Order: sequence, then structure tokens, then C-alpha cells
Amino acid sequence: GAGVSQSPSNKVTEKGKDVELRCDPISGHTALYWYRQSLGQGLEFLIYFQGNSAPDKSGLPSDRFSAERTGGSVSTLTIQRTQQEDSAVYLCASSSLGRSGETQYFGPGTRLLVL
Amino acid sequence: DAKTTQPTSMDCAEGRAANLPCNHSTISGNEYVYWYRQIHSQGPQYIIHGLKNNETNEMASLIITEDRKSSTLILPHATLRDTAVYYCIVGDNQGGKLIFGQGTELSVKP
Repeated sequence: GAGVSQSPSNKVTEKGKDVELRCDPISGHTALYWYRQSLGQGLEFLIYFQGNSAPDKSGLPSDRFSAERTGGSVSTLTIQRTQQEDSAVYLCASSSLGRSGETQYFGPGTRLLVL
Repeated sequence: DAKTTQPTSMDCAEGRAANLPCNHSTISGNEYVYWYRQIHSQGPQYIIHGLKNNETNEMASLIITEDRKSSTLILPHATLRDTAVYYCIVGDNQGGKLIFGQGTELSVKP
């Protein structure tokens, strides 16, 4: 299928290590979003890309979190010096143009566990 | 903060219509109402959205009050596979990011 894919599906890491999470959006979608869902919590917006630029980074919880997008396609979310409170499901979504009224299509998520 | 309020949980009998309410009294004139659902351990799934008029698709119907301060999602014939958390979201106009609340946990029972 041509949906949003994410890798890895599961990641276990030790506190203090860096992790990279990958998102492949639907082909042709210019808008890409990262969200996270902590255990028992709702979904929390992290960052939004329009093409390769990120006009809204307001949801990134700390400077340990960063994201980039290259070629207007694949995006990588990097968490440096992971902490136990970073354990969550990280979800990626894409939409055609990033405008209100559009459908966002979500990937299956990456489950991150920081020991 | 989320701009919507929803009941925490609801039950529905299999085969019956499920009516999920949502209040969004502070919605602005050009903001959409979106409904997504999340089945356990999966990513959210789009259901339907609307601006002013009622909408219907193969999954559900969306009824928006005339003053736009509330809406109802209707699943006409609920099945066990419709058991999920249902999120009512008022769309942010700045890039379309979604602000999720706690949603309604719908349990469809046989």
C-alpha cells in the first residue's frame, strides 16, 4: 500500500543514548507532522513540516528533540540523551498541502521504551 | 489546549446506532470539526470532517448544530470493530496541526 510508514516499529534504548525515528509520508504529500502519545495520555503535537522547512516547532518538549526533512519526503525525529519520560509512541502523519480541511493520514507509530 | 469536550466513555449495543457528542463552543467561523478514531495499538484513523453542513460518508455521519457550538458523530450500525477512542477535534488554521483532547472511549457490546 501507499500509506505512511514508520521505522522502527519498536525501539528499546538505554537512558542517555540517542535515537532516530523515521517517517516515510504518502508520496506527494507536502505536509508532515510528528505527534507522540505517552502511556495513558492523549496525542501531543510535536512539529510540522511544509516541504523541508518547519514553520511550527512549538510542540517539541526540549532541545534534546530535533527533526529534519529532506527532499520533501522522508523525515527523521532525533532524541538526544534519552530520558525515561521520553518513552511513548511516536506517530507521524502527512497531508496533501497542510491546509485546514485536509485529512491527515497517520502511520502505525514507533513505540519507544527508554530503560 | 483542546477546544472540545467529550464524554469520557460510552457503551453501544452491536447493530445499534452510536451517537457521540462533542461540544466546541469557542469554534471560530473558519475552523473545521474533524473526527478521528484510534483502535488499540494503532495510529489514528480519519473518519469525517465538516465546516457548517452535515456530512455523510461510508463510515459515519456528522451533524453540526446551526450555531456550530456542538456536533454529533453517528455510526449508523455499530460493530464490535468500532470499539475505539473517538476524538473530536477543531482544526487549527496554522498548518492544519491537530490538537487532540482525551476523546470518548466507545465500547460496542454484543
